[in-house]
Amino acid sequence: GEQVEQRPPHLSVREGDSAIIICTYTDSATAYFSWYKQEAGAGLQLLMSVLSNVDRKEEQGLTVLLNNKEKRLSLNLTAAHPGDSAVYFCAVSEGDSGTYQRFGTGTKLQVVP
Amino acid sequence: DTTVKQNPRYKLARVGKPVNLICSQTMNHDTMYWYQKKPNQAPKLLLFYYDKILNREADTFEKFQSSRPNNSFCSLYIGSAGLEYSAMYLCASSSKGQGNSDYTFGSGTRLLVI
Repeated sequence: GEQVEQRPPHLSVREGDSAIIICTYTDSATAYFSWYKQEAGAGLQLLMSVLSNVDRKEEQGLTVLLNNKEKRLSLNLTAAHPGDSAVYFCAVSEGDSGTYQRFGTGTKLQVVP
Repeated sequence: DTTVKQNPRYKLARVGKPVNLICSQTMNHDTMYWYQKKPNQAPKLLLFYYDKILNREADTFEKFQSSRPNNSFCSLYIGSAGLEYSAMYLCASSSKGQGNSDYTFGSGTRLLVI
């Protein structure tokens, strides 16, 4: 089945700096890619989802880049603020019509004032 | 209401005893999922229902049961809890064919087995 690797496991940046998280996957037939944010004590919040034919998507200070040839997905938080401190997970779809998702191991992001 | 509700928020269970976790959604999603999340690990898919069809992961096939009596409700059942079951259990729902754009997670049930 699909293998998903995520790095770095921990990331600390200063407020206003950018933070980049990268995931690599193994199945080039993957159809959907997503990024989630998990704050302390909470469930996973979907940040952004992209289809495999999308190279770049931007929303509210977040940029997702997809390189299907190199099987690499990245999340870029531009101008991070302390409220962005959380654990971030990438997820890639599996199953018929991308029914279920495989997750990366998470990146704990700390944004320091 | 675009939320997935899970009950209880915290659950304490004794080794060898059964555990039943509950999840509900009112978004009319056709698919409901259960994931297990342990500290510093990726959420692990345990099983999912597409409509009335249950799909269970091969490596957790015998450890977890589930039922979905109607579209809105899905439970996760552990027949005999072991210490290794201590984890956060996350329920999610989605509609097939939406490209995961409506994939919604609940806040989770934190299970501690002692």
